[in-house]
Amino acid sequence: AAGVIQSPRHLIKEKRETATLKCYPIPRHDTVYWYQQGPGQDPQFLISFYEKMQSDKGSIPDRFSAQQFSDYHSELNMSSLELGDSALYFCASSSWTSGGAVQYFGAGTRLSVL
Amino acid sequence: DAKTTQPPSMDCAEGRAANLPCNHSTISGNEYVYWYRQIHSQGPQYIIHGLKNNETNEMASLIITEDRKSSTLILPHATLRDTAVYYCIVRVENYGQNFVFGPGTRLSVLP
Repeated sequence: AAGVIQSPRHLIKEKRETATLKCYPIPRHDTVYWYQQGPGQDPQFLISFYEKMQSDKGSIPDRFSAQQFSDYHSELNMSSLELGDSALYFCASSSWTSGGAVQYFGAGTRLSVL
Repeated sequence: DAKTTQPPSMDCAEGRAANLPCNHSTISGNEYVYWYRQIHSQGPQYIIHGLKNNETNEMASLIITEDRKSSTLILPHATLRDTAVYYCIVRVENYGQNFVFGPGTRLSVLP
């Protein structure tokens, strides 16, 4: 079965640069979630979108923004990168018609800020 | 969402059943118990969830006590590939609501 696809898998950036992470949800899933996991930490919720509208917001820095497009894929844009932004970024998707509240996660993007 | 308490770590011999406990004494009537696991640096993987009845799927069984204040995730025949951090999360089945992870139980399956 198709899973959540994230790209790129690895990304290396310099401080103050920008980065864009992409997420392609499971087909027919209408909700996308973004999580950040720092080294040695548990995943933390950043933001979610349902039917292209922001549905919930967590501890997402103002330097980050995200959106969901008409084909339901989502992009997380990160500007003025800081060393502390180095982390794994996971995207998850869900669909009310197939599993309700269960979220299915992608393999993640590892961002390293130098 | 109700708070959960899990042991920080557990060991299990390969081939034996792994029983992972979770306390959620403040759970409310409309909150479900979800279990996810994360194998080193991979994306969290959904295992199972339930409200009050015991549940079983191809991965695991979930046993919820009658008063719903605690539950146990059972991996019937643990393999080395089951070594992971296991998260017990309690929340209402609100569509679109995020999960709060942590701290979880680090299960080590030993040969």
